[in-house]
Amino acid sequence: GAVVSQHPSWVICKSGTSVKIECRSLDFQATTMFWYRQFPKQSLMLMATSNEGSKATYEQGVEKDKFLINHASLTLSTLTVTSAHPEDSSFYICSASSGTADYNEQFFGPGTRLTVL
Amino acid sequence: KQEVTQIPAALSVPEGENLVLNCSFTDSAIYNLQWFRQDPGKGLTSLLLIQSSQREQTSGRLNASLDKSSGRSTLYIAASQPGDSATYLCAVTENSWGKLQFGAGTQVVVTP
Repeated sequence: GAVVSQHPSWVICKSGTSVKIECRSLDFQATTMFWYRQFPKQSLMLMATSNEGSKATYEQGVEKDKFLINHASLTLSTLTVTSAHPEDSSFYICSASSGTADYNEQFFGPGTRLTVL
Repeated sequence: KQEVTQIPAALSVPEGENLVLNCSFTDSAIYNLQWFRQDPGKGLTSLLLIQSSQREQTSGRLNASLDKSSGRSTLYIAASQPGDSATYLCAVTENSWGKLQFGAGTQVVVTP
């Protein structure tokens, strides 16, 4: 159980275009979803936390107008990278938490590799 | 501000040897600590989760210890196998909301 999927697994786009990445919890309802970014040879950095039906909370230094997050249902959150530039090229990973336990363990998706030309 | 450090950054051992991976954190007021495995270009697989009140957790060949007062955790992998080759990440959370602070990881290569 506790499977999280991401789509697409990889995407290549031209500079200036927008890219949407989906994160789905397949077998549980995710009250909270997290979006992380990982640059090569570096660790995961939390970008934002989203709760179903409310606005996302962004970490310091993350532009909320550039990285649009929508958590419209208990099984789906989307991250849209608007007007992408080469420096946005990275590995984006989401995680989901059901929020039903004492500790809200996060279950991670397989990641999306974004390359901006 | 919590900082998580993992040493060494990379490790190569022959098959059969035991692996010892270290993780340290600067603020001992953690809620729990997790060890993850990440294969190249893939997401994270949770290996072990240690609550702040626990000293260790075991799963098969894996054993993780936690010394909260000194800000350290160690992941032991017994009798390593080539399939253990991956990057191992530790992460701490300071509350039940689950916001994770990750270390940079230790890249492990087990040679046949």
